Amino acid sequence: GENVEQHPSTLSVQEGDSAVIKCTYSDSASNYFPWYKQELGKGPQLIIDIRSNVGEKKDQRIAVTLNKTAKHFSLHITETQPEDSAVYFCAASPNNAGNMLTFGGGTRLMVKP
Amino acid sequence: DAMVIQNPRYQVTQFGKPVTLSCSQTLNHNVMYWYQQKSSQAPKLLFHYYDKDFNNEADTPDNFQSRRPNTSFCFLDIRSPGLGDAAMYLCATSGGRGSYEQYFGPGTRLTVT
Repeated sequence: GENVEQHPSTLSVQEGDSAVIKCTYSDSASNYFPWYKQELGKGPQLIIDIRSNVGEKKDQRIAVTLNKTAKHFSLHITETQPEDSAVYFCAASPNNAGNMLTFGGGTRLMVKP
Repeated sequence: DAMVIQNPRYQVTQFGKPVTLSCSQTLNHNVMYWYQQKSSQAPKLLFHYYDKDFNNEADTPDNFQSRRPNTSFCFLDIRSPGLGDAAMYLCATSGGRGSYEQYFGPGTRLTVT
């Protein structure tokens, strides 16, 4: 089955700096890679995703890059703000009927004002 | 405006006393999922429904059951909660049929006393 590893487990940055979170996956059949933001006491919120036919996707201050050959993908947050502080999860999914997600272990991002 | 609704948000039950958590969705999605999330961990899939077809994860304890009476509603039944079942329970939905995105509800925090 799929295995997703996520690094780092915690990340502390100064407000305004950039943050990068990296994930690797094992199953070459995976072709959908979402990122979720989870604030304390809330459910995960889908913030950006990428499909395997695209190498990069950007939405305002966040971007995701995908390297299918190396089986890794990364989340980039620029100009971080205190409200970006949360736990971020990456995930990978093969093209199957159930759209099953395998999650990484999560990264706790702290943005210091 | 809420798309995936979970009730209650907080549930306290006694050791061994059956409890039911509910989830409803306004997205008309084919697939509904139940996840268990313990502190500082990634969500762990318990089972999912693709339409009326029930799919149980191999390591989901028999103590956990689910019902989906119609497209909009799905229930998680814990027949005899133990202290180890205290967790956040997350419901998610997906359109299925090539629609990859999973949308999560706010979760139900279960406490077992």
